[in-house]
Amino acid sequence: SQQGEEDPQALSIQEGENATMNCSYKTSINNLQWYRQNSGRGLVHLILIRSNEREKHSGRLRVTLDTSKKSSSLLITASRAADTASYFCATVTGGSWGKLQFGAGTQVVVTP
Amino acid sequence: NAGVTQTPKFQVLKTGQSMTLQCAQDMNHNSMYWYRQDPGMGLRLIYYSASEGTTDKGEVPNGYNVSRLNKREFSLRLESAAPSQTSVYFCASSESSGGIYGYTFGSGTRLTVV
Repeated sequence: SQQGEEDPQALSIQEGENATMNCSYKTSINNLQWYRQNSGRGLVHLILIRSNEREKHSGRLRVTLDTSKKSSSLLITASRAADTASYFCATVTGGSWGKLQFGAGTQVVVTP
Repeated sequence: NAGVTQTPKFQVLKTGQSMTLQCAQDMNHNSMYWYRQDPGMGLRLIYYSASEGTTDKGEVPNGYNVSRLNKREFSLRLESAAPSQTSVYFCASSESSGGIYGYTFGSGTRLTVV
């Protein structure tokens, strides 16, 4: 079963708007990562937030983590057509070898 | 460009045929992974190699075998392909195991089993 689940499954916005997507997970994590996948391509690592961090920024990306609610959000500010992609959260759980488990993704379409 | 290279990019197999998917990374990463991606299911881990010389099963290993040939290369073999193995396969690597670093993914192999 999937550890992380993104919400919404699909999001359609216009250029310049902000896009927010959420990820909920089930078990305690070491860190949570967000990836982007353009159509027909591999995944690209966007940002990693550790379990003891609450917020992280990278350019137009802002990620928050609420471990008490077992949830994270990814905000893309001032979206561009080039942000059209699927976005996946992935969690790393504990143990001697942390396995990266992916959710099903949020498909974001940004129209000019 | 440095990264993860997968071959082939596309493949069509008949049920029962075998094939090997190749993956190589040139970033001197220790850990490598094979995932499959099916519509609506995200990525599922098939096998991984935490370091050269070690391999271990992931979430969906049945029907697959792997070889960590050296630090750079990690291959995935389908011994007797089945239609259920129709999927997009991604190889990834990371600096170390433990998930404390982001993964670098290849561009994928789209496999169809008829």
